[in-house]
Amino acid sequence: DGGITQSPKYLFRKEGQNVTLSCEQNLNHDAMYWYRQDPGQGLRLIYYSQIVNDFQKGDIAEGYSVSREKKESFPLTVTSAQKNPTAFYLCASSITEQETQYFGPGTRLLVL
Amino acid sequence: QKEVEQDPGPLSVPEGAIVSLNCTYSNSAFQYFMWYRQYSRKGPELLMYTYSSGNKEDGRFTAQVDKSSKYISLFIRDSQPSDSATYLCAMIGMNTGFQKLVFGTGTRLLVSP
Repeated sequence: DGGITQSPKYLFRKEGQNVTLSCEQNLNHDAMYWYRQDPGQGLRLIYYSQIVNDFQKGDIAEGYSVSREKKESFPLTVTSAQKNPTAFYLCASSITEQETQYFGPGTRLLVL
Repeated sequence: QKEVEQDPGPLSVPEGAIVSLNCTYSNSAFQYFMWYRQYSRKGPELLMYTYSSGNKEDGRFTAQVDKSSKYISLFIRDSQPSDSATYLCAMIGMNTGFQKLVFGTGTRLLVSP
């Protein structure tokens, strides 16, 4: 089945810890995205990648980092510099950057 | 002012009702409009997409775009309890270069049996 997978479903972070959220797609899409969803604020763009080995900051990139070494994979690291990381994180992909985006099931990050 | 405004609800209706969900926007460059459905603790699922103005129908769902009023709607006919979810509108411009998909905050719909 084609689609986008995210893991883990739930992730707990301790103070000062970096954590990495996984996103994999087998749709052969060039573009991938990371969003953060908080209650009442909608989806906010963290990072996006239009092609392998290239990525750009979105609206709220501070405290986050990404890599795009393979077309299928776009992992997001939440660093200790992100002071309010508790949120629902969504990965998406599209054929190109102007096509419809399809979302993964999300990862809920909680701070211990 | 937000680029896209959407009433958060909740909107409560009885089973079988016709539901109207709406978004207004301020950026006249938006050309491509989408509706996503999001169940609790799940990722958004694409429901409908339309380009520019007009209507598009898919089963019980109809998406409507009025660019002159900067207003889009999603109608659900014969609503079912399984339609209970949050509905997100999203839109994007078609200029050259990267165009960000802009989302509304979502309207929570509750359909009671």
